[in-house]
Amino acid sequence: GENVEQHPSTLSVQEGDSAVIKCTYSDSASNYFPWYKQELGKRPQLIIDIRSNVGEKKDQRIAVTLNKTAKHFSLHITETQPEDSAVYFCAASRTPGGKLIFGQGTELSVKP
Amino acid sequence: NAGVTQTPKFRILKIGQSMTLQCTQDMNHNYMYWYRQDPGMGLKLIYYSVGAGITDKGEVPNGYNVSRSTTEDFPLRLELAAPSQTSVYFCASSYTGLHEQYFGPGTRLTVT
Repeated sequence: GENVEQHPSTLSVQEGDSAVIKCTYSDSASNYFPWYKQELGKRPQLIIDIRSNVGEKKDQRIAVTLNKTAKHFSLHITETQPEDSAVYFCAASRTPGGKLIFGQGTELSVKP
Repeated sequence: NAGVTQTPKFRILKIGQSMTLQCTQDMNHNYMYWYRQDPGMGLKLIYYSVGAGITDKGEVPNGYNVSRSTTEDFPLRLELAAPSQTSVYFCASSYTGLHEQYFGPGTRLTVT
């Protein structure tokens, strides 16, 4: 069935460093790839998304890259800050608003 | 707008009891979803609906039922609660299949 694998499961960086989280997906028909941030005890919130007709998208310190051939997409956070500490989830679906298949999550810790 | 609201916030059930988790959105969204999130894991889709009167199964529908009689409401029913249903349940909605999903605050359910 459809599957999304996410790595690493935990990531610890120093404030100001960059963080990279990687995901691979199995359904070649997937064309929408959102990233959600979830703080402890809170709901997931969309931070950035990318569609299959785009290879890269950037929003301030956050960027996402997509390689459809390899079925691989990544989240890049630059100049990390302590408030970036959270669990990050990647997901994939055939359309935005369609059935989202989530990765297992990455717990990011940014040390001051 | 209140966005997506869920009740109750917390609930403890005994094995074999039943309950309904409520979800309401006031954004006139057509698509609604139910996810469960087990500790340290990603979200798994239970059921979803693309409009009033239409529902479909997600990844983990066993033990649950849903209905969608109005655009605003999408209740999730547990008929015979089991310990394996201990989880945090999130409801989400989106305007169409081409828009991001907005999540409710979650319901923490414990079955003992």
